[in-house]
Amino acid sequence: TQLLEQSPQFLSIQEGENLTVYCNSSSVFSSLQWYRQEPGEGPVLLVTVVTGGEVKKLKRLTFQFGDARKDSSLHITAAQPGDTGLYLCAGVDSGGYQKVTFGIGTKLQVIP
Amino acid sequence: DAGVIQSPRHEVTEMGQEVTLRCKPISGHNSLFWYRQTMMRGLELLIYFNNNVPIDDSGMPEDRFSAKMPNASFSTLKIQPSEPRDSAVYFCASSPHSGFQETQYFGPGTRLLVL
Repeated sequence: TQLLEQSPQFLSIQEGENLTVYCNSSSVFSSLQWYRQEPGEGPVLLVTVVTGGEVKKLKRLTFQFGDARKDSSLHITAAQPGDTGLYLCAGVDSGGYQKVTFGIGTKLQVIP
Repeated sequence: DAGVIQSPRHEVTEMGQEVTLRCKPISGHNSLFWYRQTMMRGLELLIYFNNNVPIDDSGMPEDRFSAKMPNASFSTLKIQPSEPRDSAVYFCASSPHSGFQETQYFGPGTRLLVL
């Protein structure tokens, strides 16, 4: 089983601040997914990064896949209260039927 | 369009009782996944079906857990007998294609509490 470590586990910031959350592993993944989960709901896919070094932007969110495809980061610019939620990264295995492993998540609270 | 539908949304039961969780995937999707989420272990894959056939059940904790998918529009996850350590949120997800590379669409989850 490949393990994904996310940091920090909890983050509370003021509206307008910038933040970065990290997802790290000792294993190589074929791709990495980021999800956001709101209380009482299931995770919703935000983005999939596939190529080492890839950077994807989704409005104020910037996702980066490490060159070695072992780690990823999510940067949020000018955080809004609507960004509050649990951010999960999920690594897709390189072999087999490409099973996915989820990290524990980073719980983000943006205070108005 | 309706998303993944799960029922019940909340279940409280006593230790030793049988619990059945239900899932209706998105129409046309041919992959279905059951996950369990806890604070300590996060989101864990329990079982993966493709075209109604179980492909990987290595995440099923023990023989007390069983899952079925009798047709493309319905799946159940059963716990018998239930134990307090089974308390968690159980999610069902479906995907339009095989494997995990494609987007998984999650249901709202069933919050299970075993007393």
